[in-house]
Amino acid sequence: DAMVIQNPRYQVTQFGKPVTLSCSQTLNHNVMYWYQQKSSQAPKLLFHYYDKDFNNEADTPDNFQSRRPNTSFCFLDIRSPGLGDAAMYLCATSARGAYGYTFGSGTRLTVV
Amino acid sequence: AQTVTQSQPEMSVQEAETVTLSCTYDTSESNYYLFWYKQPPSRQMILVIRQEAYKQQNATENRFSVNFQKAAKSFSLKISDSQLGDTAMYFCAFFFGNEKLTFGTGTRLTIIP
Repeated sequence: DAMVIQNPRYQVTQFGKPVTLSCSQTLNHNVMYWYQQKSSQAPKLLFHYYDKDFNNEADTPDNFQSRRPNTSFCFLDIRSPGLGDAAMYLCATSARGAYGYTFGSGTRLTVV
Repeated sequence: AQTVTQSQPEMSVQEAETVTLSCTYDTSESNYYLFWYKQPPSRQMILVIRQEAYKQQNATENRFSVNFQKAAKSFSLKISDSQLGDTAMYFCAFFFGNEKLTFGTGTRLTIIP
C-alpha cells in the first residue's frame, strides 16, 4: 500500500545532542510537510517542500532544519534539542493540498 | 489569513448515539476546501471527510456527514451510530490555493461504552 513512513516511532535524545527524524513516501507526492504537535494541540507547520523548493515558516526556530534529497525522502534535523522540543513530529505529503494530506504515524521525541 | 475555530475542546457521547462537532472559519475567499481529520490516541492522523466550497451538497462518508453552511462559514461534522473506535481528536482544517492547511485547535471526542 502506498503510504508515508516515519522512523523511528519513538526517539529519545539527550539535551543538546543532534537528532534526525526521517520520513519516506511511496505516494510520489511532490509536496512534503513537517509538523510539530505538542500534547492535544493542533499540529504546527515547521517546513514544507514543493518539489525541491524549501519553504520555512517564519516562526520555525533556527534549531530546526530539513533536507529533501529526493522525492521520496525528507529529514528533520534538530541541531541542539531542548526540553521544549519534546513533541510528536508529523510528516505529511500531498499531490495537491486541495485533496488533503496523507500523514505518517509520527515520531514521538523525548528529550532527557 | 484564514482562521479555524473549534469551540468544543472535549465531548463525550454514549456508544450508538449521534454526535455533532462544530467548526467555524473565517475567510474572504470563495473557492476553498474544508476537511475533518481524525487522530486516534497514539495513532496516525487520517482524513475523514472533505468538502469543496463551490459544491452546495454536503459531503458524506458512511456514518460521517457534514453540515456546510457557506454563508455562515460553518462546517460541522456529524457522526451517526457512534462506535468505540471513533474515540479520537478531531481537527477541522481549511485549505485555499497553494497555501498550507490551517487547523483548528481540535475536539477530543470520547465514546462511552
